[in-house]
Amino acid sequence: GQNIDQPTEMTATEGAIVQINCTYQTSGFNGLFWYQQHAGEAPTFLSYNVLDGLEEKGRFSSFLSRSKGYSYLLLKELQMKDSASYLCAVRARNAGNMLTFGGGTRLMVKP
Amino acid sequence: GAGVSQSPSNKVTEKGKDVELRCDPISGHTALYWYRQSLGQGLEFLIYFQGNSAPDKSGLPSDRFSAERTGGSVSTLTIQRTQQEDSAVYLCASSEYISYEQYFGPGTRLTVT
Repeated sequence: GQNIDQPTEMTATEGAIVQINCTYQTSGFNGLFWYQQHAGEAPTFLSYNVLDGLEEKGRFSSFLSRSKGYSYLLLKELQMKDSASYLCAVRARNAGNMLTFGGGTRLMVKP
Repeated sequence: GAGVSQSPSNKVTEKGKDVELRCDPISGHTALYWYRQSLGQGLEFLIYFQGNSAPDKSGLPSDRFSAERTGGSVSTLTIQRTQQEDSAVYLCASSEYISYEQYFGPGTRLTVT
C-alpha cells in the first residue's frame, strides 16, 4: 500500500513564502503531483515531479527527493487567493499507475 | 474544449433510495476516475476505467456501489440503498491515458437524509 503524510493546516502572511511538505512511502514510485483545491471546487493541477530536483512554475515550485520519499510545494509572494487546500498525490506502478492522495493541507493566507 | 462535467451538481436523497451520478469526461480521454471526498477530508479513490473496462473495483466501499462506462465516454456511478455515511462530494476525473495528468469535474454533492 501507500502512505502519504502532509500537515493538516498552515497559516502564512500575504507576500510571504510558504513551504508545504509531503512525505510518502510507496513501492514502484512513478511520480508525484500537487493539486490545488479551493473550497467547494474541484482540484486543479499544479505540478508534477518524477525526477529529483526542483520544478519551477511562476510563483509555485515543487521539489522531489525520491531517496527520502519527500516533496515540498513552495509558494512565493503569497496572495489572498492562494488560500486553499493543497493535495499531494503519488502515482505508483504497483497500483496500476493510479494516484493516491494525501489528506491535503489547508493553507490560510492572512493580510 | 469543454472540461469534465458532472450531473447533478447537488443531490439530496432519502436514506434507502438509489442514486445515479453521471460523469462526462473530456472528449478523447481514455481513462476515467471516480473519487469521493467527505467534508474536510482528502480524496478517496473509488474506481477507474480504461476505455469501458474497470480493472480494479476494490476501491468501491461496498457492494451497494457500482459503476459503468459506455462507448468509452460517459460513466455513471450508482449507489443503491443509500446510507447517511454515503454523504460526500463525488468527483470524477479523466486523463488522456492512465498515467497522465487528471482533470477533475466540479463534483456532485450528495446528501443522504
